[in-house]
Amino acid sequence: AQSVAQPEDQVNVAEGNPLTVKCTYSVSGNPYLFWYVQYPNRGLQFLLKYITGDNLVKGSYGFEAEFNKSQTSFHLKKPSALVSDSALYFCAVRGLSTDSWGKLQFGAGTQVVVTP
Amino acid sequence: DAGVIQSPRHEVTEMGQEVTLRCKPISGHDYLFWYRQTMMRGLELLIYFNNNVPIDDSGMPEDRFSAKMPNASFSTLKIQPSEPRDSAVYFCASSQTSSVPETQYFGPGTRLLVL
Repeated sequence: AQSVAQPEDQVNVAEGNPLTVKCTYSVSGNPYLFWYVQYPNRGLQFLLKYITGDNLVKGSYGFEAEFNKSQTSFHLKKPSALVSDSALYFCAVRGLSTDSWGKLQFGAGTQVVVTP
Repeated sequence: DAGVIQSPRHEVTEMGQEVTLRCKPISGHDYLFWYRQTMMRGLELLIYFNNNVPIDDSGMPEDRFSAKMPNASFSTLKIQPSEPRDSAVYFCASSQTSSVPETQYFGPGTRLLVL
């Protein structure tokens, strides 16, 4: 069965500093990996995905994520955080078995707080 | 594009009443998902459809919950009878097979409070 873990409930960072949100996964075979962001009182928004190819994936709003197969990780990063990046971030994974096509397993979410 | 549309945005009801949540997916999308979000359980997938056919309803909590998709542009999630523990934010999302279907587009959600 596929699963994803976000070990930090909350990440605090000062504006202008680098931001990292951690994610590890467990899935059979090669995974499809995703990051979504949820702003207050809104639905989730797609940020970026890793399917295959380059391990460094670039997404919206200056975010990027690095796929590391040996560590089964897919950490989200931003070189310089903004106060407007404060939100709830979800990592998600889909395995490649036919019965999981289209279905995502979300992590518990990490609250990011960026202080001025 | 208007995005995924959900109605109502807020619903307050009393225990035992029937609640119907509605969703209009993005035109051309062939996958539709219903999620529930609570502080205790996080984000849970309840059920999803492909081409209007339910594919996986293993997340539906019990028989009080039912979902339908009569056509490609409309879906409902019904709770009958409702209970206070059903209080949550319910999201609908859609995606399309021609893209990576897990790139899902979420609606704004329906905030349900059952008294």
